[in-house]
Amino acid sequence: DGGITQSPKYLFRKEGQNVTLSCEQNLNHDAMYWYRQDPGQGLRLIYYSQIVNDFQKGDIAEGYSVSREKKESFPLTVTSAQKNPTAFYLCASSEGRSSEAFFGQGTRLTVV
Amino acid sequence: AQSVTQPDIHITVSEGASLELRCNYSYGATPYLFWYVQSPGQGLQLLLKYFSGDTLVQGIKGFEAEFKRSQSSFNLRKPSVHWSDAAEYFCAVGAQGFQKLVFGTGTRLLVSP
Repeated sequence: DGGITQSPKYLFRKEGQNVTLSCEQNLNHDAMYWYRQDPGQGLRLIYYSQIVNDFQKGDIAEGYSVSREKKESFPLTVTSAQKNPTAFYLCASSEGRSSEAFFGQGTRLTVV
Repeated sequence: AQSVTQPDIHITVSEGASLELRCNYSYGATPYLFWYVQSPGQGLQLLLKYFSGDTLVQGIKGFEAEFKRSQSSFNLRKPSVHWSDAAEYFCAVGAQGFQKLVFGTGTRLLVSP
């Protein structure tokens, strides 16, 4: 079945450590996105990529980094510079002909 | 700037009663409109979408939404709510081609017996 796979589902890290969240899609979509979700704040865009080897900052990119070396993969690194990294992270993809986005099941990151 | 407003943070509806969730948007171009649903700890699932044509669109799980350009609204409705509909609902706006989605802050639906 086609879809978006995020791993792991739960992730725990110590403060000051970098951590990488995985996102893979087999939908052959050109565009991929990372969102952060906090209670009562909806979804906020971290980074997005329209094409391989190219990506742009979203609304809250500080403290995060991404890469897009393959069409299918768009990993997100939460660096130690992110002041409040504990959150639910969602990866999504879209064809590019419209804004319709397909979402993964999310990764809940807890930093202690 | 593009924005989406969902004025109701929480809504409680009795099982079997009708439901309407409000969504207002501000978007410079012709909008593409979406409703997504999220169960706790899960990703978002698309309920329905509006690109053009008939302003009343049908979605999955018995949901429908009506696009009203004059009111900049895209309200979600369901005639009879089931307990399994309890979840968080997000309205989003985008456009043709590559355009980022802008999301509202969500409405949490509670269903009482």
